[in-house]
Amino acid sequence: TQLLEQSPQFLSIQEGENLTVYCNSSSVFSSLQWYRQEPGEGPVLLVTVVTGGEVKKLKRLTFQFGDARKDSSLHITAAQPGDTGLYLCAGRNYGGSQGNLIFGKGTKLSVKP
Amino acid sequence: NAGVTQTPKFQVLKTGQSMTLQCAQDMNHEYMSWYRQDPGMGLRLIHYSVGAGITDQGEVPNGYNVSRSTTEDFPLRLLSAAPSQTSVYFCASSYFSGGRGGTEAFFGQGTRLTVV
Repeated sequence: TQLLEQSPQFLSIQEGENLTVYCNSSSVFSSLQWYRQEPGEGPVLLVTVVTGGEVKKLKRLTFQFGDARKDSSLHITAAQPGDTGLYLCAGRNYGGSQGNLIFGKGTKLSVKP
Repeated sequence: NAGVTQTPKFQVLKTGQSMTLQCAQDMNHEYMSWYRQDPGMGLRLIHYSVGAGITDQGEVPNGYNVSRSTTEDFPLRLLSAAPSQTSVYFCASSYFSGGRGGTEAFFGQGTRLTVV
């Protein structure tokens, strides 16, 4: 069974601080996605990374895929209260059904004004 | 744009009752799936479908049935509800990609189910 471990599980910071969330596995994934979920809503895709070593930026969010395609990180610069939410990483298998996503348990981020 | 629509949003069942959670998408996506989300457990795949008439089991299929008679609809049936099935259920759809990158999964707003 492929597992994705996310850390930290909870993060409470002040507005303006920087933070990094990690997503690690012992397995190789064909691609990795990051989703953000707000209370009472379904997850919404932020980014997909495919190539080992790939870095993608989305405004103040920077996503990196590890060289071996086993891990990923999400870095937020100058966090704002609007960044509050549950951040989920999800890996897509090699083989099997290419549609299946394996989710990490999530990082619950709270940004205080 | 409707996207993925789930009904109902909330449901309370008694142990042993059966019910169907509805999921419909209007994006002509081949791939649809059901997840359950429990505190501290993330999202776990229950069942999925790669097209009309084709379904398969995910990580936690016991106690649930699915069918896919049309591209648009993918209902999830609880056969005999148990307290362990108390959870938030999400339906998702996406284009089915054979490529390495995969495609974005679009999620419904979820159904919060309580079994007493």
